[in-house]
Amino acid sequence: GAVVSQHPSWVICKSGTSVKIECRSLDFQATTMFWYRQFPKQSLMLMATSNEGSKATYEQGVEKDKFLINHASLTLSTLTVTSAHPEDSSFYICSARDITSGGPTGELFFGEGSRLTVL
Amino acid sequence: DAKTTQPPSMDCAEGRAANLPCNHSTISGNEYVYWYRQIHSQGPQYIIHGLKNNETNEMASLIITEDRKSSTLILPHATLRDTAVYYCIVRVNQAGTALIFGKGTTLSVSS
Repeated sequence: GAVVSQHPSWVICKSGTSVKIECRSLDFQATTMFWYRQFPKQSLMLMATSNEGSKATYEQGVEKDKFLINHASLTLSTLTVTSAHPEDSSFYICSARDITSGGPTGELFFGEGSRLTVL
Repeated sequence: DAKTTQPPSMDCAEGRAANLPCNHSTISGNEYVYWYRQIHSQGPQYIIHGLKNNETNEMASLIITEDRKSSTLILPHATLRDTAVYYCIVRVNQAGTALIFGKGTTLSVSS
């Protein structure tokens, strides 16, 4: 299947700093990517929908000024956690849909996830 | 809120078939049933999806009832590596539509 890659896989940062996480579709193009976060022993929670060339759409309760999303190309979306605090420590996961494969029933592919720890 | 109901946990012996049920009684006519799994500390992995017909691929089989109100994911010969959280999700198949995850079923395969 198609490959979605995230970088970094894990990151530790000090409180108050900003952290950028990249999500790349390696062998396909994606006009839409989705960002999720997952706290320990909980399910994935959708944070935002990232659209190439336009502003992201955020889910209710997600601060758009804190979680900056940029989708500058058909293969790259970035999530920047600004002024990170310990409560932002989580597992961040992106997903993307191949716009060229399988017609309307194409599945979403997920990255390996990025674990953020804020000290 | 997720539109599906799954048992929180199931056990299966290695080599036996694992049958994971999912109820989606409010599914709409244009919604597909998707199954993903998440192995600890990894991103979710696509397994299979279907609309109304039963589906089979190299990983699993998906059985959807005629009224589409429930489905069963079948792993024919479970291995230890199949231990994971399995998510059943219903979703309209449109490009901008995300997957909304429920709590899933934790499948534990033991030898």
